[in-house]
Amino acid sequence: AQSVTQPDIHITVSEGASLELRCNYSYGATPYLFWYVQSPGQGLQLLLKYFSGDTLVQGIKGFEAEFKRSQSSFNLRKPSVHWSDAAEYFCAVGAYGNKLVFGAGTILRVKS
Amino acid sequence: DGGITQSPKYLFRKEGQNVTLSCEQNLNHDAMYWYRQDPGQGLRLIYYSQIVNDFQKGDIAEGYSVSREKKESFPLTVTSAQKNPTAFYLCASSSSLTRGRISYEQYFGPGTRLTVT
Repeated sequence: AQSVTQPDIHITVSEGASLELRCNYSYGATPYLFWYVQSPGQGLQLLLKYFSGDTLVQGIKGFEAEFKRSQSSFNLRKPSVHWSDAAEYFCAVGAYGNKLVFGAGTILRVKS
Repeated sequence: DGGITQSPKYLFRKEGQNVTLSCEQNLNHDAMYWYRQDPGQGLRLIYYSQIVNDFQKGDIAEGYSVSREKKESFPLTVTSAQKNPTAFYLCASSSSLTRGRISYEQYFGPGTRLTVT
């Protein structure tokens, strides 16, 4: 069965510093991969997605992610973090039956 | 504007009462989903529906029920059999197919926080 692991429960970075959030997935074929962001008490917003093609995908709000098949990873990156990026981030993989399997999430804190 | 609405945003109930959470979408999506979110546990799938008048249990369906009588609507009932109903509930929808390919991309509503005391 498909699964997603986000190894970091919390991450704290300084404003202006670079960011990388880790995501590892388990899936036999070429996966459909997603990153979502959630502000406290809100729904999830799609940041970016990977289906096929270029392994480096660009998303909204200056985020990008790189698909690495050999490492079963889909890490999210941003070169310079803003205080407004503080939120919870979820990685997800497409699963049989048109479903998504989500990781447990990583809470990002930004310090000024 | 197209999107998903969930109402109410906050809901309070006494233990032993059934409660129904509303989810409506005007995106013309075929598939709809209900998730439960608890701190540190990510999103867990309760029920999903790929088409009107059909739905399937997700990973944690016990104590919940749904209906899908209209394409736009997918209400969730939290019954008194649900042992720990206090949580944040999220509804989502998906187009199922995009340009002939399965579309896993889901769009989310703002959520309903249910508190049962």
